[in-house]
Amino acid sequence: NAGVTQTPKFRVLKTGQSMTLLCAQDMNHEYMYWYRQDPGMGLRLIHYSVGEGTTAKGEVPDGYNVSRLKKQNFLLGLESAAPSQTSVYFCASSYGGQGNSYTFGSGTRLTVV
Amino acid sequence: SQQGEEDPQALSIQEGENATMNCSYKTSINNLQWYRQNSGRGLVHLILIRSNEREKHSGRLRVTLDTSKKSSSLLITASRAADTASYFCATEGMTDKLIFGTGTRLQVFP
Repeated sequence: NAGVTQTPKFRVLKTGQSMTLLCAQDMNHEYMYWYRQDPGMGLRLIHYSVGEGTTAKGEVPDGYNVSRLKKQNFLLGLESAAPSQTSVYFCASSYGGQGNSYTFGSGTRLTVV
Repeated sequence: SQQGEEDPQALSIQEGENATMNCSYKTSINNLQWYRQNSGRGLVHLILIRSNEREKHSGRLRVTLDTSKKSSSLLITASRAADTASYFCATEGMTDKLIFGTGTRLQVFP
């Protein structure tokens, strides 16, 4: 029973490079989310999905793209990485609707140099 | 923009003492949740309180909600060193998305 699995756990990118973060959940959750966590800023929502094939922008979507081709997977892409995207990225999932808790992955620590 | 703000930002106590963290938010909510984050790990859900509830208990945790003041508090009784972590409140309003606060870092010394 893995829950939410994020890969990779660590990555260093050069400015301008691209990469994809993968999130996989095995709980049959409908909703999935990508957050970034920066010191003193708490968690900020980047993009989210309310079901397979759907995506929507969160609070800080610029510079990121997402895809939800399969219900269990939610991919976060950085097209041209910038130092401002240095952060810890968390994926979460939930059954959706009001009053449901989120299950989080263990995070991806990304450094852009 | 952050919906919730926790107070204090950091808290240090001795084992056996109680720890109280507060959360204030700005807009109407349907429910408020508390999460815990150990260093270098993801967040773990602790407890949810709905807008029509005033108090809820779970083990050593007690959560209160005052919708008139737009605030909530998390009390951890008889703290243990293993309670050392960051604690976040998160609010859910009309949209099905949680908005997280900035967190309280709790250090419990043995």
